[in-house]
Amino acid sequence: KNQVEQSPQSLIILEGKNCTLQCNYTVSPFSNLRWYKQDTGRGPVSLTIMTFSENTKSNGRYTATLDADTKQSSLHITASQLSDSASYICVVMEGGADGLTFGKGTHLIIQP
Amino acid sequence: KAGVTQTPRYLIKTRGQQVTLSCSPISGHRSVSWYQQTPGQGLQFLFEYFSETQRNKGNFPGRFSGRQFSNSRSEMNVSTLELGDSALYLCASSGGVVETQYFGPGTRLLVL
Repeated sequence: KNQVEQSPQSLIILEGKNCTLQCNYTVSPFSNLRWYKQDTGRGPVSLTIMTFSENTKSNGRYTATLDADTKQSSLHITASQLSDSASYICVVMEGGADGLTFGKGTHLIIQP
Repeated sequence: KAGVTQTPRYLIKTRGQQVTLSCSPISGHRSVSWYQQTPGQGLQFLFEYFSETQRNKGNFPGRFSGRQFSNSRSEMNVSTLELGDSALYLCASSGGVVETQYFGPGTRLLVL
């Protein structure tokens, strides 16, 4: 069964600090992996999309990495800001156009 | 350009009724995907339409159906509503398979 596991479930850090969120998946065959940020009460916003051949991709202070061999991805947030407080969701698309598998998300809280 | 719009934003129905939700994608986007989000299950993929054809489908019962029109607007229908169908229904559009998805604000459905 395809699964996407995210850790930690929740995280509290001080403003200005860095943090790393983890995503492990068992989806096969693999097409691409996406990270989304979802603010409370709003729809998700895409941060990065990575295909099999991409190891790292950045979007401002967000940097995602992908290790397709170990089926792991991470999202690193640099110099966190209060506006980074949100849920971060890892999504893996299965090859062959058979749908998406979502992680439960990591709830990140940035404290001043 | 205008983002993804969804109507209505809020809806209250009773068990056994049916409901139709509407999604207008970003101009030029041909792919529209639907998701259900609940606190317990997180985001779950319902289906994706591309050029009026269902291209992907998640693991939801046949009570959940959708369609896409020639202008790429999409509708989702849920028949014989159950209490467990109470959720936030999100629509997302993109230009292609491996492209950034843009989410709408969602329709919050409450089934009583």
